[in-house]
Amino acid sequence: SQKIEQNSEALNIQEGKTATLTCNYTNYSPAYLQWYRQDPGRGPVFLLLIRENEKEKRKERLKVTFDTTLKQSLFHITASQPADSATYLCAPITGANSKLTFGKGITLSVRP
Amino acid sequence: GAVVSQHPSWVICKSGTSVKIECRSLDFQATTMFWYRQFPKQSLMLMATSNEGSKATYEQGVEKDKFLINHASLTLSTLTVTSAHPEDSSFYICSARAPGLNTEAFFGQGTRLTVV
Repeated sequence: SQKIEQNSEALNIQEGKTATLTCNYTNYSPAYLQWYRQDPGRGPVFLLLIRENEKEKRKERLKVTFDTTLKQSLFHITASQPADSATYLCAPITGANSKLTFGKGITLSVRP
Repeated sequence: GAVVSQHPSWVICKSGTSVKIECRSLDFQATTMFWYRQFPKQSLMLMATSNEGSKATYEQGVEKDKFLINHASLTLSTLTVTSAHPEDSSFYICSARAPGLNTEAFFGQGTRLTVV
């Protein structure tokens, strides 16, 4: 069965450091992969999308990589800030009408 | 960005009654909408996928007769929790996606359902 694994439930880092979050998937052949952020008691918010033929995508302090051989995506937040503290979710997408399922998410805490 | 409005944001109901939750895409046509349930400190669990004009596709273990989904138009989907019980108390979230391969999903604010 299809599975989405995010490597840890929680990540605690010091402000200013780079946070790296991992998303591994099995039994998927995604055409692209999306990353979302969820704050407590709120719905997720879209952050970045990366296609299968793209190795890397950047948006301000965010960077996503996509390795279809390793079946893995890495999500980096550089110069992290306490406001980046949230749960980050990945979602591999196989097609235009495919269902949107998420990994468990990784809760990032950035301490001042 | 696009907006998805979910209503109500919270509801308390008596055991045995039914509750309807609405999800509207305000500025785009959503051919596909998703309904999720999330328990405290747990991940988002997909309940069903609904495509406009057709029956919803439910995930394994989700009772379609208990969680009725209607996607009657390109801007509105509803989830009705029928004969609610305390164990149905949860955070329910909808999301909508516009047509196309590379489209992001927009999420509603969520509905906190408490069954007493």
